Amino acid sequence: EVRLVESGGGLVKPGGSLRLSCAASGFTFSSKSMNWVRQAPGKGLEWVSSISGRSNYIYYAGSVKGRFTISRDNAKNSMYLQMNSLRAEDTAVYYCARDMGPDSSSLDYWGQGTLVTVSS
Amino acid sequence: DIQMTQSPSSLSASVGDRVTITCRATQTITNFLNWYQQKPGKAPKLLIYSSSTLQSGVPSRFSGSGSGTDFTLTISSLQPEDLATYYCQQSYSTPPTFGQGTKLEIK
Repeated sequence: EVRLVESGGGLVKPGGSLRLSCAASGFTFSSKSMNWVRQAPGKGLEWVSSISGRSNYIYYAGSVKGRFTISRDNAKNSMYLQMNSLRAEDTAVYYCARDMGPDSSSLDYWGQGTLVTVSS
Repeated sequence: DIQMTQSPSSLSASVGDRVTITCRATQTITNFLNWYQQKPGKAPKLLIYSSSTLQSGVPSRFSGSGSGTDFTLTISSLQPEDLATYYCQQSYSTPPTFGQGTKLEIK
């Protein structure tokens, strides 16, 4: 069974940093691209970042480029999102999601999400 | 970036009704269109990918169609458990973008 579990969310002050983790199980982690998608309270879904299986392709949304860094450790079946210079508008539930594959690039499995609140 | 627009933003329908949600892209995305269902307080769930392919385990009352810029999600006979917000998403180009969502309520 595919399972994705996020952790690391919490309350942080504007300008602060936070590191999210996504622990994966139930599939060959290194063979799949992974994504972070966020959802502000009461709002829609916003893609944040993606990383290919061997970390050779990395992409960011314009709203987080230069502030967030995505990474993964295939030996630990884990993905990370280092978030720096956090702003109030980064407040959201952050989901990790698996990319199904190149034929569709849909997000076929999602974690339960971790809440990040940026507030003074 | 490719913008995705869903309509309607919300709708109310009765059990057994046929429900249709549309999604339009600002440029062609061929068939790289996916549909997700998000129930209240839960993570999104993939329903349909590549415009019309039903994800494993998804009831057959859900179907998708379209290509190019215009797409449709249809629920053939609405069930109480279909109460959710539905999102389309293009995966044709980076950044992948979502529609604003369609909130489906049961009358």
